[in-house]
Amino acid sequence: EPEVTQTPSHQVTQMGQEVILRCVPISNHLYFYWYRQILGQKVEFLVSFYNNEISEKSEIFDDQFSVERPDGSNFTLKIRSTKLEDSAMYFCASRRVSPGTGTGELFFGEGSRLTVL
Amino acid sequence: QQQVKQSPQSLIVQKGGISIINCAYENTAFDYFPWYQQFPGKGPALLIAIRPDVSEKKEGRFTISFNKSAKQFSLHIMDSQPGDSATYFCAASPTLDSNYQLIWGAGTKLIIKP
Repeated sequence: EPEVTQTPSHQVTQMGQEVILRCVPISNHLYFYWYRQILGQKVEFLVSFYNNEISEKSEIFDDQFSVERPDGSNFTLKIRSTKLEDSAMYFCASRRVSPGTGTGELFFGEGSRLTVL
Repeated sequence: QQQVKQSPQSLIVQKGGISIINCAYENTAFDYFPWYQQFPGKGPALLIAIRPDVSEKKEGRFTISFNKSAKQFSLHIMDSQPGDSATYFCAASPTLDSNYQLIWGAGTKLIIKP
């Protein structure tokens, strides 16, 4: 069964450092997403990406964050100058829009745990 | 208006019992309501979803009940099993918006006691 894969599974970084979280979405999916889940809290939408550009972003997704699809398979989230409060599980998701309905299941990766010290 | 309120925060049910988790929303533009199941250390996985044109959807032991006028929907797990122990999230999205920004509930930690 196709799946969304994320690397690394866990990254520990010092405050102020830059991190890049990587995702390989399911190959025939067109929409890509990053979500964040702070430990014990709800899942929060960060950004959606379609046709090689950001289609929507939340207020969490400020200038500290950026996304990129550097090639045909990877989808990355870069966090510049990390802060303690960036510590969270970051989930990548992808979706293939069903023709005519606009819906389609969102498939999540297993997440990348970021710990900022 | 963008919130989805979920309750209870945690739930303990005996094996074989019925687990019920409730969610409420305010935004009438929402028209897609999925439930996700998340095991520790894993990403959320779609369990079951409903559109507001039906009042109930059943898949195996899992049922969504939807009350459009009350703007509420709930997940029922029949014959709950220890393997159902997980965190459950309801969510909502306006599907006309193809960006499909899911708004999530706070989650319910379900424990099924053997």
